[in-house]
Amino acid sequence: QAVVTQEPSLTVSPGGTVTLTCGSSTGAVTSGHYPYWFQQKPGQAPRTLIYDTSNKHSWTPARFSGSLLGGKAALTLSGAQPEDEAEYYCLLSYSGFVVFGGGTKLTVL
Amino acid sequence: EVQLVESGGGLVQPGGSLRLSCAASGFTFSSYWMHWVRQAPGKGLVWVSRINSDGSSTSYADSVKGRFTISRDNAKNTLYLQMNSLRAEDTAVYYCARGFLAHDFDYWGQGTLVTVSS
Repeated sequence: QAVVTQEPSLTVSPGGTVTLTCGSSTGAVTSGHYPYWFQQKPGQAPRTLIYDTSNKHSWTPARFSGSLLGGKAALTLSGAQPEDEAEYYCLLSYSGFVVFGGGTKLTVL
Repeated sequence: EVQLVESGGGLVQPGGSLRLSCAASGFTFSSYWMHWVRQAPGKGLVWVSRINSDGSSTSYADSVKGRFTISRDNAKNTLYLQMNSLRAEDTAVYYCARGFLAHDFDYWGQGTLVTVSS
């Protein structure tokens, strides 16, 4: 089964910009992998931020955006807020199954 | 308001069985795919299984294939996960999630904890 890779941890300054990436062991990530991004805070259920590469839900703060970058899926946070400190997971779809990345712990410091 | 409420978790011995439920409300349950996702203590999210809107199509992660069965009762607006031959490594919080398409996840439940231990 495919392995989905993410940076284990990243740090961003308040007000700063950071990009999280999501790669696939099978090769370049494309829109056909329908990349998703989820945010999870301690003790809470995951929350879907981005679907199908770059689409936002009504509850997704405008400072989050999704894209494809250098063969990977990417989540960019522009203007980080303290409340954005969380674990972020990507998800990629393959034929018949989906796979989560290992997660990126984002610190806002 | 969309709500997904998991139940049925608890302590079970290795080799035992457990059935989880996910009660859905606030939307037309029979129109959506449903997923089970788990998270071991301190670890990441792992997809477990999914089922299509009418229950005719299912798929599983390799780690649970042959031991877990996903099903749904659209008349009762409820999703199930029958877990047999449980192992210590199945210990996790189990979440149900909704999706309009097979690869889609939008709303999540709050999870139910399954502990497999003697």
